[in-house]
Amino acid sequence: DVKVTQSSRYLVKRTGEKVFLECVQDMDHENMFWYRQDPGLGLRLIYFSYDVKMKEKGDIPEGYSVSREKKERFSLILESASTNQTSMYLCASSFHGQGGYEQYFGPGTRLTVT
Amino acid sequence: QKEVEQNSGPLSVPEGAIASLNCTYSDRGSQSFFWYRQYSGKSPELIMFIYSNGDKEDGRFTAQLNKASQYVSLLIRDSQPSDSATYLCAVKEAGGSQGNLIFGKGTKLSVKP
Repeated sequence: DVKVTQSSRYLVKRTGEKVFLECVQDMDHENMFWYRQDPGLGLRLIYFSYDVKMKEKGDIPEGYSVSREKKERFSLILESASTNQTSMYLCASSFHGQGGYEQYFGPGTRLTVT
Repeated sequence: QKEVEQNSGPLSVPEGAIASLNCTYSDRGSQSFFWYRQYSGKSPELIMFIYSNGDKEDGRFTAQLNKASQYVSLLIRDSQPSDSATYLCAVKEAGGSQGNLIFGKGTKLSVKP
């Protein structure tokens, strides 16, 4: 079974803090993704990575950065947390290849910024 | 902007009935199609994928794809209260960035006992 884990299920941070969210997958997937999910807005892609040290901006990268130093680990960084970054954050991973691309999600981190 | 559209619902069906969830997509060249189930407060879970026109069955679930009409559906037979969840449709667009999927906003299904 594919397993994607995230460092925290719930997190409460103060405005202006630097926040690190970690994601680890154990299936040797090339692709990793960070989404946020808000009621009525669906899943929105923040950043993705298709290889170690590679990163690409998604639809809403502002206020976020990412790091992928090892294939299995993809970190999302909120440089200076703001209240509008309160959300559910979801990490996903997938193979890169013909006919595949199904993404597997971690359990999510519900972040509250006060 | 490539889009995946789903009726937000809620779709309410009685226990034992067939639930039919629909999804349309804008990119005619899309190749791979996925259905995810998401329980409230949980993360999406992959339940079906389909690549070819026609039907694909897995237990009580059937995915149907019609590329000419740009339409993909999910049928749930003998619906159970435990099927109550939001169902997300996702599409791999042709020529899109590696591995990126476009997700619909989901249809909320409620199965009444």
